[in-house]
Amino acid sequence: NAGVTQTPKFQVLKTGQSMTLQCAQDMNHNSMYWYRQDPGMGLRLIYYSASEGTTDKGEVPNGYNVSRLNKREFSLRLLSAAPSQTSVYFCASSFMGRDQPQHFGDGTRLSIL
Amino acid sequence: QKEVEQDPGPLSVPEGAIVSLNCTYSNSAFQYFMWYRQYSRKGPELLMYTYSSGNKEDGRFTAQVDKSSKYISLFIRDSQPSDSATYLCAMTTMDSNYQLIWGAGTKLIIKP
Repeated sequence: NAGVTQTPKFQVLKTGQSMTLQCAQDMNHNSMYWYRQDPGMGLRLIYYSASEGTTDKGEVPNGYNVSRLNKREFSLRLLSAAPSQTSVYFCASSFMGRDQPQHFGDGTRLSIL
Repeated sequence: QKEVEQDPGPLSVPEGAIVSLNCTYSNSAFQYFMWYRQYSRKGPELLMYTYSSGNKEDGRFTAQVDKSSKYISLFIRDSQPSDSATYLCAMTTMDSNYQLIWGAGTKLIIKP
């Protein structure tokens, strides 16, 4: 019963490098989300995908893009890493609609040097 | 001013105590209210989900919404050391296209 699986769990990058964070869910959920969590700031939505084939910007999309590869998978790409993107990144999914409870993965801890 | 405010804590209480965790908010349009629990180095997990005002109980947990005061609470009865975690509130409304707005979380420590 995996739920939401994120890879990698940890990553260190140098400024200017790019990388892709992977997320997969096995709950047959329609909607998927990417958040970042920073101390004292709560979770902030980066991008979301209401359904397969659609993506939309959230609160803090600059410096990122996303791909909804299929119903199960939703990836987040850092285009040119900056120290301000050091954070914990969480992927979540919900059955349908953003008013529905979201189920989270265990996060990717990303440090940008 | 943040839309959703939570005292960061830590809140430290003895085992068996009743715990009260709270969030205040500024947007009177919020309709859906959620409480998540987050253990260290884990993702948030949903504890309670309520719509509009009133109380909802699930085992040792009770969620309370007071829309007139723009205040929500989570009560934990007979607290256990396993309840030690960070508790996040989240809320949303149709007007914001259902984007969840999160509190920053309250760290709770239950002392054996």
